[in-house]
Amino acid sequence: QSALTQPPSASGSPGQSVTISCTGTSSDVGGYNYVSWYQQNPGKAPKLIIYEVSKRPSGVPDRFSGSKAGNTASLTVSGLQTEDEADYYCSSNVDNHCVVFGGGTKLTVL
Amino acid sequence: QVQLQQSGPGLLKPSQTLSLTCAISGDSVSSNTVAWNWIRQSPSRGLEWLGRTYYRSKWYFDYAVSVKSRVTINPDTSKNQFSLQLNSVTPDDTAVYYCAAGWCRGGFHSWGQGTLVTVSS
Repeated sequence: QSALTQPPSASGSPGQSVTISCTGTSSDVGGYNYVSWYQQNPGKAPKLIIYEVSKRPSGVPDRFSGSKAGNTASLTVSGLQTEDEADYYCSSNVDNHCVVFGGGTKLTVL
Repeated sequence: QVQLQQSGPGLLKPSQTLSLTCAISGDSVSSNTVAWNWIRQSPSRGLEWLGRTYYRSKWYFDYAVSVKSRVTINPDTSKNQFSLQLNSVTPDDTAVYYCAAGWCRGGFHSWGQGTLVTVSS
């Protein structure tokens, strides 16, 4: 399975909003409402911040939101804070497999 | 809140067997509401799901096609943990290995701390 496609980098100033895209195919993102997003800080394990396209686990701020249109899922971070600077990964359920991940996007808060 | 603690060696030679263990606290390896997974991360491969085990009246095992011929995941109910074995490693298996709790469709909600495994002669 090929990795999902994410932009390598994204940036925004504190207080602004930024959206990260995650593009797949009809066999993964487009075929299932099972897209997850993870936040990863340097040297740490990924942390689940969005599951099933738009649901947030307990404790995740509502500044993080997810959506999907066709074969592309999106993560929007509103009201950017310096602590949001991290790597972000998407994943999707995929035919005949468990999950496929995106290549990751490094979010910089300017 | 599930907590996962990994252990195992970080340096291997080519052709050796990688063995890692993930100790579970806050839940049971025999729980019927969660699956126990192994995922690795490397610069060349990114994040890659390797396999899982879960219990639903019996034990189930699923493995990624890329490693299926070399990988085994085993639950240990007496110690409330699960393990990963990867045979015949090569330098391409060099990665940070994570254990994680959760489902393919619902996301992985709890992760171990990660173990850097380096394969080098």
